[in-house]
Amino acid sequence: AQSVTQLDSQVPVFEEAPVELRCNYSSSVSVYLFWYVQYPNQGLQLLLKYLSGSTLVKGINGFEAEFNKSQTSFHLRKPSVHISDTAEYFCAVNRDDKIIFGKGTRLHILP
Amino acid sequence: DAGVTQSPTHLIKTRGQQVTLRCSPKSGHDTVSWYQQALGQGPQFIFQYYEEEERQRGNFPDRFSGHQFPNYSSELNVNALLLGDSALYLCASSPRFGFSSYEQYFGPGTRLTVT
Repeated sequence: AQSVTQLDSQVPVFEEAPVELRCNYSSSVSVYLFWYVQYPNQGLQLLLKYLSGSTLVKGINGFEAEFNKSQTSFHLRKPSVHISDTAEYFCAVNRDDKIIFGKGTRLHILP
Repeated sequence: DAGVTQSPTHLIKTRGQQVTLRCSPKSGHDTVSWYQQALGQGPQFIFQYYEEEERQRGNFPDRFSGHQFPNYSSELNVNALLLGDSALYLCASSPRFGFSSYEQYFGPGTRLTVT
């Protein structure tokens, strides 16, 4: 069963506009959630993580995400995107010591 | 403090050949996991090693095998390469115990091309 679902395969957004990348997780899994970014031809970089505590998590590069248990969501947001944010973004969950990834969302910044 | 390192960066092999990829975990980490990322896909879990033994395995054939050394570094071996094995292979490390064990640190990956 799919543990993480990223609802959008691609998201186009104008530079300096806000963006939200959507992620839903299976309620049966443990709630250790992550967002990773992958720039072209590079490995994975951790943007932010939710392990416990405050449901609003702040990460690097101005990104933040909110853990919503009732909606089983962990959406990623940024108030103003920059051309350098062009990348693939992966939502992920730790399940039994394995990281299970969503299929990714490609963020395309329009000039 | 060096993070997770992998070698080589790129590799080109022919169908039927065998390949070995290497990974050194982040300092203080004793658990190593391997992932395969095919083009346009999210990474898929291959297997995980700690205490020099394979502890978990994803849905990959026996052609994929691994090893962990006493210094916690690890190798991924793939035999009888197929064109479909072309992918980015990612190594990740984590401590075995404690709250930090839920997070895995990823290396830059090895891009394998099978022709």
